[in-house]
Amino acid sequence: QVQLVESGGGLVKPGGSLRLSCAVSGFTLSDYYMSWIRQAPGQGLEWVSYISSSGFTIYYADSVKGRFTISRDNAKNSLYLQLNSLRAEDTAVYYCVRVAGLYDFDYWGQGTLVTVSS
Amino acid sequence: QSALTQPASVSGSPGQSITISCTGTSSDVGRYSHVSWYQQHPAKAPKLVIYDVFNRPSGVSNRFSASKSGNTASLTISGLQAEDEAEYYCGSYTSNITWEFGGGTKLTVL
Repeated sequence: QVQLVESGGGLVKPGGSLRLSCAVSGFTLSDYYMSWIRQAPGQGLEWVSYISSSGFTIYYADSVKGRFTISRDNAKNSLYLQLNSLRAEDTAVYYCVRVAGLYDFDYWGQGTLVTVSS
Repeated sequence: QSALTQPASVSGSPGQSITISCTGTSSDVGRYSHVSWYQQHPAKAPKLVIYDVFNRPSGVSNRFSASKSGNTASLTISGLQAEDEAEYYCGSYTSNITWEFGGGTKLTVL
């Protein structure tokens, strides 16, 4: 069955960095576009970033552009999100999400919590 | 403040039907058929229940249906069951090549 397992979250100080990883199984990663979506505590969903199956097409939300970098290694069945210059408002559960077709999010991981606090 | 507007809460009794609205603009919901709905139970990851306005993924109950008119999309759940109690989010692709979500609607089954 399809599984997405995130890791790499934790407590970091403002201005710090983290690298999130997502290990996938149950499907061929190279066949799918992927995305990261986050959810601040008690809040709604916020789309963060999107990457094509080859990695050549990438989009970011304005709120993270220039600070976050999405990447993938299809051979390792893994998706990544590098988070730099972190701010308190980046505190959230970050979900690794498979894209169905090009536009819909059909499978979600369990999420990894990033807390930005001094 | 979320880009798409949903009611904060709705409620219904078992067996009844409820509808949740999701209002966007001509740059998102009104322009594209890429509107989806997600169900989220407490402390769980969201689950896709509707994609491309009205399509149900395999395994999702046919009690879930959806539609769109102009800038407003709607999710209807018929024959309400206790397990339907959850937060529901709409999402849409936008003309800025981004994705937006509604603020979420808490469904209470009375």
